[in-house]
Amino acid sequence: KQEVTQIPAALSVPEGENLVLNCSFTDSAIYNLQWFRQDPGKGLTSLLLIQSSQREQTSGRLNASLDKSSGRSTLYIAASQPGDSATYLCAVRAGTYKYIFGTGTRLKVLA
Amino acid sequence: GAGVSQSPSNKVTEKGKDVELRCDPISGHTALYWYRQSLGQGLEFLIYFQGNSAPDKSGLPSDRFSAERTGGSVSTLTIQRTQQEDSAVYLCASSLGAGRVGETQYFGPGTRLLVL
Repeated sequence: KQEVTQIPAALSVPEGENLVLNCSFTDSAIYNLQWFRQDPGKGLTSLLLIQSSQREQTSGRLNASLDKSSGRSTLYIAASQPGDSATYLCAVRAGTYKYIFGTGTRLKVLA
Repeated sequence: GAGVSQSPSNKVTEKGKDVELRCDPISGHTALYWYRQSLGQGLEFLIYFQGNSAPDKSGLPSDRFSAERTGGSVSTLTIQRTQQEDSAVYLCASSLGAGRVGETQYFGPGTRLLVL
């Protein structure tokens, strides 16, 4: 059974710091992995999608990497800003169109 | 353009009543997903539609839950004889279909359900 874990559960950093969020999954047979952000009381916004054949994806200050063999993905945020404060979720698609989500990392960037 | 919309945004109901939640996906999106997010929990997959058919219903928690999609567009999630443990935020997402760009999911704002 696929399980997705995100560490840390919460993170507080000063503005301008580079940071890494971690996502691990137990079954390496995944089709793709997505990173989302969720702002309080709102739905999710897709940040990056990495196919199983890819190693990384980049969008602006965000870079996501995928290591299927070790069951890990990281989301790197460069030069963090207060507007980056949100909960970050990773999700893996395992075979079917069923997505398994982690419980998220709650990020607070202090001005 | 318009994003994914959901209605109602909030619903308070009494235990034992039936509720119907609605999702309007982005026009042209063939894939539609329903998720549930309980307090302090991660997102839980409920059901996936490709067009009007649901190849994966494995996430529906019980036979009190059902969903349908008509015209390849609007979807409704129905919960019969609601229980207090059904209280959660119900999120809907849609995507173009398959492939790296096509599978990017766009989420609605959710329906917050409270069963008293």
